[in-house]
Amino acid sequence: DTAVSQTPKYLVTQMGNDKSIKCEQNLGHDTMYWYKQDSKKFLKIMFSYNNKELIINETVPNRFSPKSPDKAHLNLHINSLELGDSAVYFCASSQLGQAYEQYFGPGTRLTVT
Amino acid sequence: SQQGEEDPQALSIQEGENATMNCSYKTSINNLQWYRQNSGRGLVHLILIRSNEREKHSGRLRVTLDTSKKSSSLLITASRAADTASYFCATARGDSWGKLQFGAGTQVVVTP
Repeated sequence: DTAVSQTPKYLVTQMGNDKSIKCEQNLGHDTMYWYKQDSKKFLKIMFSYNNKELIINETVPNRFSPKSPDKAHLNLHINSLELGDSAVYFCASSQLGQAYEQYFGPGTRLTVT
Repeated sequence: SQQGEEDPQALSIQEGENATMNCSYKTSINNLQWYRQNSGRGLVHLILIRSNEREKHSGRLRVTLDTSKKSSSLLITASRAADTASYFCATARGDSWGKLQFGAGTQVVVTP
């Protein structure tokens, strides 16, 4: 069974479109994260939810809106996509209080044309 | 700004050799973690070392931490072709709600 899964794996879309990426974890963790990895492989945290509550919100354009319907799911919606949004987006989960070891999904490669 | 910075950026070795990579960071930490990323895949947690620990082992991995120098090293002994991947260090602060700050990674290529 996949611990952290993301859909879709690849997403190709045009500038100006709106798209969503979904993430689910079956590890029973209480905290989930979204990261963006750029073309130089630099990984930067975007958001984190703990028990459906937003706890980390880095300096991210408000075109990006995370939503956590329950502890096991964290989705990322992106409005008005721009070329600079092209990257690989990773979802991760962890159990707070356990030294923050995180489990990552396989990533969603977003290409904006 | 980037918290962890790995050195070297890339490393090419032959099977059986040891691979050493370093990570430097800027602020005080609760723990430091190392992750591996195979091409086109997500990150996999390798090992965690707490700020009050100096050395930790896991299989062929050895991690050291020097908090006075704000640096850590990851040693992979007797490397295998399957160790080919990018390796990232990540730091966690005790007050950061699980926020990890990653370095840019060291790309390791192990040739048979």
